[in-house]
Amino acid sequence: DAGVIQSPRHEVTEMGQEVTLRCKPISGHDYLFWYRQTMMRGLELLIYFNNNVPIDDSGMPEDRFSAKMPNASFSTLKIQPSEPRDSAVYFCASSFDAGEQFFGPGTRLTVL
Amino acid sequence: KQEVTQIPAALSVPEGENLVLNCSFTDSAIYNLQWFRQDPGKGLTSLLLIQSSQREQTSGRLNASLDKSSGRSTLYIAASQPGDSATYLCAVRTSGTYKYIFGTGTRLKVLA
Repeated sequence: DAGVIQSPRHEVTEMGQEVTLRCKPISGHDYLFWYRQTMMRGLELLIYFNNNVPIDDSGMPEDRFSAKMPNASFSTLKIQPSEPRDSAVYFCASSFDAGEQFFGPGTRLTVL
Repeated sequence: KQEVTQIPAALSVPEGENLVLNCSFTDSAIYNLQWFRQDPGKGLTSLLLIQSSQREQTSGRLNASLDKSSGRSTLYIAASQPGDSATYLCAVRTSGTYKYIFGTGTRLKVLA
């Protein structure tokens, strides 16, 4: 298996623009997690899905953030409009039955 | 609310030393605990997953122990090597949830 795949690996955008981050989980995994990592706050859980259904989005910072999982092999995290304080590394992780988590390489987002 | 602490924040040791990294958590009702390694600019690599019913798990030179009653886990690295240099994070899943709470990590440097 190729592991968790994320795209793009790097994204530079201007304030106010829409940003879409993509994730392909490991085949057969039924849980998908979106995290954000910053120097100040460390690794924070934003939202997680079980069988494509959002279970807990309490970590999503604002209404500007939204996430979808239209099928078992694809998820998106969208920020609209983006702000400089959204600059961070965004990770997607997947697991089977919420057991051992496997992380993707991350997307480094810079909002100017 | 579960809180996870890792001390020290940074550690520098000479090659060949055996070392212990610490992870403390406030709510002892955990489901499992996972140790990760993160290299600079990279994603997280799973090292060991230890279930609440287990006392320890081993993989090669790594050994993780769990003491739920005291709210502690330790990661033991034997015969450290420069290639072990990375940030080590622990993540705790509390019983009744599917969310993992991460510690802030210990940045390890092994000197040749």
